[in-house]
Amino acid sequence: EIVLTQSPGTLSLSPGDRATLSCRASQIVSSSYLAWYQQKPGQAPRLLIYGASRRATGIPDRFSGSGSGTDFTLTISRLEPEDFAVYYCQQYGYSPFGGGTKVEIK
Amino acid sequence: QVQLVESGGGLVKPGGSRRLSCVASGFTVSDYYMSWIRQAPGKGLEWVSYISSHDGATIYYADSVKGRFTISRDNTENSVYLQMNILRAEDTAVYYCAASEADNAFDIWGQGTVVTVSS
Repeated sequence: EIVLTQSPGTLSLSPGDRATLSCRASQIVSSSYLAWYQQKPGQAPRLLIYGASRRATGIPDRFSGSGSGTDFTLTISRLEPEDFAVYYCQQYGYSPFGGGTKVEIK
Repeated sequence: QVQLVESGGGLVKPGGSRRLSCVASGFTVSDYYMSWIRQAPGKGLEWVSYISSHDGATIYYADSVKGRFTISRDNTENSVYLQMNILRAEDTAVYYCAASEADNAFDIWGQGTVVTVSS
């Protein structure tokens, strides 16, 4: 079973800052199946990125995904107030999610 | 409008059973790969079960629920179900239904239904 480790656990930043979130896999992951989700308190998760780098419908271009093999990154170029949330990566399918990174206001 | 609506959550005693329902609107559930995902209070997301599109012949379960939970689909009701048996305290969570059109990411999510297992 592939284990996804996200870092850092918490990222304290200010609006306008750049956020860089890491997702590291215990084995090589097919980029086609690496996804990132955003979850705000009391809400269901929302798909941001699929196929490691493809933005889902309606996702602003300040969100970008990159990486391959075992190392993947979600970058938010300039944080907006609505971007403060928890972010999860997952190798789609029948596998665990990463533990999540909370992006909080500094 | 494309949406998923879960129901069936509630308070259940340890060892009890519960059946969760997920009704789709705006799309045909049999054309999508469907999963159940849960989130325990204050914790992260845990994938629980998966059923493939069309013939639904491919089904997977997380080790934590294998042998106790059963996923199924009713095309006439445009719904997916999760039958949960022998419930444990650690099954307490918000249960989300999620769909994937291309079998590569969960692009449609329900709002979740809460299951609490407690005596």
